[in-house]
Amino acid sequence: NAGVTQTPKFQVLKTGQSMTLQCAQDMNHNSMYWYRQDPGMGLRLIYYSASEGTTDKGEVPNGYNVSRLNKREFSLRLESAAPSQTSVYFCASSEGTGIQPQHFGDGTRLSIL
Amino acid sequence: GEDVEQSLFLSVREGDSSVINCTYTDSSSTYLYWYKQEPGAGLQLLTYIFSNMDMKQDQRLTVLLNKKDKHLSLRIADTQTGDSAIYFCAETLLDTGRRALTFGSGTRLQVQP
Repeated sequence: NAGVTQTPKFQVLKTGQSMTLQCAQDMNHNSMYWYRQDPGMGLRLIYYSASEGTTDKGEVPNGYNVSRLNKREFSLRLESAAPSQTSVYFCASSEGTGIQPQHFGDGTRLSIL
Repeated sequence: GEDVEQSLFLSVREGDSSVINCTYTDSSSTYLYWYKQEPGAGLQLLTYIFSNMDMKQDQRLTVLLNKKDKHLSLRIADTQTGDSAIYFCAETLLDTGRRALTFGSGTRLQVQP
């Protein structure tokens, strides 16, 4: 029962370094999402992919890029990391967008010095 | 626009009932969700309700929806120490094409033995 798997679980970067966060789901879901969670705030959507081959910006996309590699995998890339991107990143998936419940991975804790 | 608000903290004794509250401002048709987040983990879907319903019960969990006041509550009966976690209220909208969830900032539930 893997569900949504994120790698790595923890990462420390220096300002200006690049990094790709990986996400894979084994539930044959069409839609996938990347959120960030900051202290005292709910999750905010960075990017989402409604279906394989499509990606769209969410609420806070600046400084990030995504790739929907295939139906299973959705990666998030930081091209030039900044301290403001220190956060916990969550990947989620759902059968479709809108009303479908989303299933979450355990998160990646990213610190940028 | 839409906004989801929650109180930050709730403390109860083991065996008591817990009531976690949430308000939302959007007036469109919507699904409303409750998620649970344990330390170091992702979000776990607990239950959800459509905005044309007043109540939903699932074992120890009861969701009440007051559409007039745009108020949602989650009642946990016979609260256990394992219920200690952060609880997030979230909504999604059906008639705006919005593709993802809007989260509240979370309510930390502390259960004292």
